[in-house]
Amino acid sequence: AQSVAQPEDQVNVAEGNPLTVKCTYSVSGNPYLFWYVQYPNRGLQFLLKYITGDNLVKGSYGFEAEFNKSQTSFHLKKPSALVSDSALYFCAVRAQPNTPLVFGKGTRLSVIA
Amino acid sequence: GAVVSQHPSWVICKSGTSVKIECRSLDFQATTMFWYRQFPKQSLMLMATSNEGSKATYEQGVEKDKFLINHASLTLSTLTVTSAHPEDSSFYICSARVTPRTEPFYGYTFGSGTRLTVV
Repeated sequence: AQSVAQPEDQVNVAEGNPLTVKCTYSVSGNPYLFWYVQYPNRGLQFLLKYITGDNLVKGSYGFEAEFNKSQTSFHLKKPSALVSDSALYFCAVRAQPNTPLVFGKGTRLSVIA
Repeated sequence: GAVVSQHPSWVICKSGTSVKIECRSLDFQATTMFWYRQFPKQSLMLMATSNEGSKATYEQGVEKDKFLINHASLTLSTLTVTSAHPEDSSFYICSARVTPRTEPFYGYTFGSGTRLTVV
């Protein structure tokens, strides 16, 4: 079975500082990993994905994530946080084609001016 | 890019009535649609998977007679909450799988969600 763990319910960071939102996964086979962001009462917006290739993935709005197979992690990072980055972030995984994504519980990011 | 339009964005209904939520793929064909439910401050929980022209597959614990899913065409999937009760109040989100031939390929696209409040 596939699973995703986001160990932090809440991450607080000062504007301009780097941010990290953690994600670890468990899946049999090669993982397809995704990060999404959700603003209040809105659907999910895609940030980035890892399918294969370079372990460092660059995505939307200056976000990036590093796939670490040995640690089964896919942490989301940004060098300099903005107040507008404050939102709910979800990590998701899928192992097989045509199967739905399995989501972590989400991490609320709060960027303080 | 691949866009899924979900309506309504929010709905308030009386207990005992039924509510229909629509998801339309605007510029691609969605052969598979996933329906999720999200409780406040919680993650998305998969309710069911629907494939065009066939019966939906429901996750364990989801009442198929309460949450009717229809995927009659490649561009429209609907979720009907029948005889709604206050405990059905939630945020419902649909998601379509985007095929590699659709650019940009990012796997899945999500509707904007529907906030259902049953009073």
